[in-house]
Amino acid sequence: GAGVSQSPSNKVTEKGKDVELRCDPISGHTALYWYRQSLGQGLEFLIYFQGNSAPDKSGLPSDRFSAERTGGSVSTLTIQRTQQEDSAVYLCASSLGGRVDEQFFGPGTRLTVL
Amino acid sequence: GNSVTQMEGPVTLSEEAFLTINCTYTATGYPSLFWYVQYPGEGLQLLLKATKADDKGSNKGFEATYRKETTSFHLEKGSVQVSDSAVYFCALIDSGAGSYQLTFGKGTKLSVIP
Repeated sequence: GAGVSQSPSNKVTEKGKDVELRCDPISGHTALYWYRQSLGQGLEFLIYFQGNSAPDKSGLPSDRFSAERTGGSVSTLTIQRTQQEDSAVYLCASSLGGRVDEQFFGPGTRLTVL
Repeated sequence: GNSVTQMEGPVTLSEEAFLTINCTYTATGYPSLFWYVQYPGEGLQLLLKATKADDKGSNKGFEATYRKETTSFHLEKGSVQVSDSAVYFCALIDSGAGSYQLTFGKGTKLSVIP
């Protein structure tokens, strides 16, 4: 596709359930980033992939959060045992490998934990 | 660590008014600076950027100048339109220090009324 796509666009879940959020980066972009946008914390960096590897996972807020990327393309962010404080918009971005200063963002997934 | 401080909103202006949104930053290295815009219901879009001191980024009538001496990157537009109503985020990336994560300000909501 022309831009970064994310699915689902909206997700409502019950506290304690697991959720998976998907990101399809721009074709040819080897770098992929996850951010979280919440009312209390603003925009926070979560994790970065170069190819299939994530050299820095320190932005993940807890061990309930994990992410993987396969085939150097699609990425999945998984949140286990969701809590109400996980409610936020999860944004994915991608860039050409060395161009960290040109990150293109997807529309986001709005997660609501009841 | 790195941080970005931008003026709190919301900001309400009449059409054709002059806009300034202040942004200052703290960085350990020599960052690149950005303004992102988020229109209602849409994802983040890069509005403009500057990568070194005294550079001026510009796009769609918006301008911002990288001021190293005052660690600032204020966003300006001479005559706003209703279609400029959005949330504006100032951000930096310290790519010179090998970083890849954008650090964002809290965002400033702009409403332009006819």
